[in-house]
Amino acid sequence: QSALTQAASVSGSPGQSITISCTGTSNDVGAYNYVSWYQQHPGKAPKLMIYDVSDRPSGVSNRFSGSKSGNTASLTISGLQAEDEADYYCSSYASSGSVVFGGGTKLTVL
Amino acid sequence: QVQLVQSGAEVKKPGASVKVSCKASEHTFRSNYMHWVRQAPGQGLEWMGMINPNGGIPSHAQKFQGRVTMTRETSTSTVYMELRRLRSEDTAVYYCATDPGNYYFDSWGQGTLVTISS
Repeated sequence: QSALTQAASVSGSPGQSITISCTGTSNDVGAYNYVSWYQQHPGKAPKLMIYDVSDRPSGVSNRFSGSKSGNTASLTISGLQAEDEADYYCSSYASSGSVVFGGGTKLTVL
Repeated sequence: QVQLVQSGAEVKKPGASVKVSCKASEHTFRSNYMHWVRQAPGQGLEWMGMINPNGGIPSHAQKFQGRVTMTRETSTSTVYMELRRLRSEDTAVYYCATDPGNYYFDSWGQGTLVTISS
């Protein structure tokens, strides 16, 4: 199963909004609403930010939102803050019965 | 707050096997699927496989076919991941993570660094 496609890096200034895209196929992102997003700071375990395409776990800021259109899912972070600087990964269930991750996007807050 | 406690770092020689454990509370163990995800140094996340809370046959990524075994020990609320015939590219941090049923990972262990070196 091929990895989902994410841009290697994205940047934004404090207060701005950014969107990270995650492109899959009709066998994963396009087929199921089992898309999730994770934030990972250096040396730490990943943290769940969005699940089921657009749901937010308790405790996660409402500055984080998720959506999907066709084979592409997106994570939007509004009102960028310094602590948002991290790596972000998307994930999806796939028709093969597996789970596939994106390659990760490094967010830099300028 | 769900807590998953993994076993400590390991150093193995090529061709050897490693078995990583992940201990949860009884409630967490019984009500969640448990997945294994690994991350090579400087690389992204890679799904390895999962085991369901009611037993049954675990599922794993095709790339690990024949090399990985995932098991559960109900008496201690612990899941295990054994990887055999280790090679240098298996050097990674291995994580266990809980999944309430929709293929997302809401709690993660602290990670176990496995280093393959001759």
